[in-house]
Amino acid sequence: QKEVEQDPGPLSVPEGAIVSLNCTYSNSAFQYFMWYRQYSRKGPELLMYTYSSGNKEDGRFTAQVDKSSKYISLFIRDSQPSDSATYLCAMSEAGFQKLVFGTGTRLLVSP
Amino acid sequence: ETGVTQTPRHLVMGMTNKKSLKCEQHLGHNAMYWYKQSAKKPLELMFVYSLEERVENNSVPSRFSPECPNSSHLFLHLHTLQPEDSALYLCASSQFTSGEQYFGPGTRLTVT
Repeated sequence: QKEVEQDPGPLSVPEGAIVSLNCTYSNSAFQYFMWYRQYSRKGPELLMYTYSSGNKEDGRFTAQVDKSSKYISLFIRDSQPSDSATYLCAMSEAGFQKLVFGTGTRLLVSP
Repeated sequence: ETGVTQTPRHLVMGMTNKKSLKCEQHLGHNAMYWYKQSAKKPLELMFVYSLEERVENNSVPSRFSPECPNSSHLFLHLHTLQPEDSALYLCASSQFTSGEQYFGPGTRLTVT
């Protein structure tokens, strides 16, 4: 079993839709949860970062962590074509050290 | 130049060639990383350098040889690679190994 599972997609949605991206994990010691966005021909960039359980909101983006279910989500409201990218979840036991990544989900938002 | 830069952006090499990938960070960081990104696989951490000393080597084959001459530069020397080594090689840097990592755009490597 992989430590972090993420559906590779692609996930295709129309502009304005609410997008839900998810990861599951097996290591109960993970405390730090990140979402990275990777545009084509670019490196990943940190989008959101949460510690332990709960929600965190930043503009159109909401990150949610459910440690009891070992499940994390990223919601994108009012999705835009510029949101088209690959979204990678990552997690660790200690901050940004020894990050364990998911495979990434490719998102396509059509105008 | 700003952020993390990588050269070349694309590289095609035969199995008997020797080549090097270069990474340079302009962020004043003191930790640098090499990752491998293959299709439909998670990012794999290959090497970590902190204050120019290698602090992590994740069972990477010896045909990959890293070098960190100073805190701003990181190289990955390649020799006698295999076709399965074809991937995107990403460099990242951070302030200490506990800081947020900033990634370069990667080198797309194809081994023929």
